[in-house]
Amino acid sequence: EPEVTQTPSHQVTQMGQEVILRCVPISNHLYFYWYRQILGQKVEFLVSFYNNEISEKSEIFDDQFSVERPDGSNFTLKIRSTKLEDSAMYFCASSERLHPLFGSGTRLTVV
Amino acid sequence: GENVEQHPSTLSVQEGDSAVIKCTYSDSASNYFPWYKQELGKGPQLIIDIRSNVGEKKDQRIAVTLNKTAKHFSLHITETQPEDSAVYFCAASREGNNRLAFGKGNQVVVIP
Repeated sequence: EPEVTQTPSHQVTQMGQEVILRCVPISNHLYFYWYRQILGQKVEFLVSFYNNEISEKSEIFDDQFSVERPDGSNFTLKIRSTKLEDSAMYFCASSERLHPLFGSGTRLTVV
Repeated sequence: GENVEQHPSTLSVQEGDSAVIKCTYSDSASNYFPWYKQELGKGPQLIIDIRSNVGEKKDQRIAVTLNKTAKHFSLHITETQPEDSAVYFCAASREGNNRLAFGKGNQVVVIP
């Protein structure tokens, strides 16, 4: 069964450093998403991406965040200058239209 | 924006009994309500969903009910098994808008 894959599974970074979280969506999917879950809190929408551009973003997705689909298969989330409060589980998802399918997540720890 | 609340936060059931998880939502324009199951170390997996033009949907031991007037929807798991132990998330969105608003999650523990 096709699945969304995310790498790395766990990343530790120093505050102020840039991180790139990587995702390989399901190959025939057209919509791509990033969500995050801070420990003990709800899963929160960050951004959706369709037709090579951001289709929607939340108030969390500020100028420190960016997304890219660099080569037609990968979908990346970049955080330019990480803060302690960026520590969370980051989930990538993709869908044909509805029914986003989620990857296993990247646990980002900012120290 | 949409706000989804989920109750209870933890639910323990004896194997073979039923489990019910309830969610409420705030946006009357929401019309798509998926449920996700998350096992340890994995991402949320879609297990069932319902659209606002139906009141109930079943898939084997899992069913979801929707009350649009009251703005709440529920997940029912019958004949629970140990492999049903997981965190269950409800979510809501407007169909055509792929932005899901999630509940906080419910830890279901099935006691053998």
